[in-house]
Amino acid sequence: DTAVSQTPKYLVTQMGNDKSIKCEQNLGHDTMYWYKQDSKKFLKIMFSYNNKELIINETVPNRFSPKSPDKAHLNLHINSLELGDSAVYFCASSLGQTGGFYGYTFGSGTRLTVV
Amino acid sequence: ILNVEQSPQSLHVQEGDSTNFTCSFPSSNFYALHWYRWETAKSPEALFVMTLNGDEKKKGRISATLNTKEGYSYLYIKGSQPEDSATYLCAMGGNNRLAFGKGNQVVVIP
Repeated sequence: DTAVSQTPKYLVTQMGNDKSIKCEQNLGHDTMYWYKQDSKKFLKIMFSYNNKELIINETVPNRFSPKSPDKAHLNLHINSLELGDSAVYFCASSLGQTGGFYGYTFGSGTRLTVV
Repeated sequence: ILNVEQSPQSLHVQEGDSTNFTCSFPSSNFYALHWYRWETAKSPEALFVMTLNGDEKKKGRISATLNTKEGYSYLYIKGSQPEDSATYLCAMGGNNRLAFGKGNQVVVIP
């Protein structure tokens, strides 16, 4: 069983469209995250939820909206997609949201290409 | 902002040789230091988490040390094998997140 699963794995879409990426974890973790891997392969945090509560909201355009219906799911919805949104998006989960004592379990990533 | 630096950015190692690389981080308000192994087209996998100054961790031929007072960690690979080719990510815990460095990309040449 996949611990952290993201769907879809690949997403190609046109500029201006709205799309969602889904993430589910079956580890019983309390905290989930979205990270963006930029063009220089750097992982940058976007959002974090702890038990459905938004904890971290970095300087991300408000076209990006996370939604956590329960603590096992954290979805990412993107409105009005732009070329610059093309990247690999990683979902991750951790047992707690303390100062980083708990490591992450990552999903396999979603490669988003906006054309 | 947690600024995590890794060097060198990339390195090529002959099979059988040993190598090491560095992760530097702010030494104040230290919580934890994590190392991940990230193979191409896969997701990062946890290697070590270290919390105490002087910590040493080992997994097979890979080991890591931690100096929280001067703000660095070393990752060592002994007797490199082609399957060690990957990007090794260092991450510092704090502010309810992990802040990642850009990684050390290792290519082991058979």
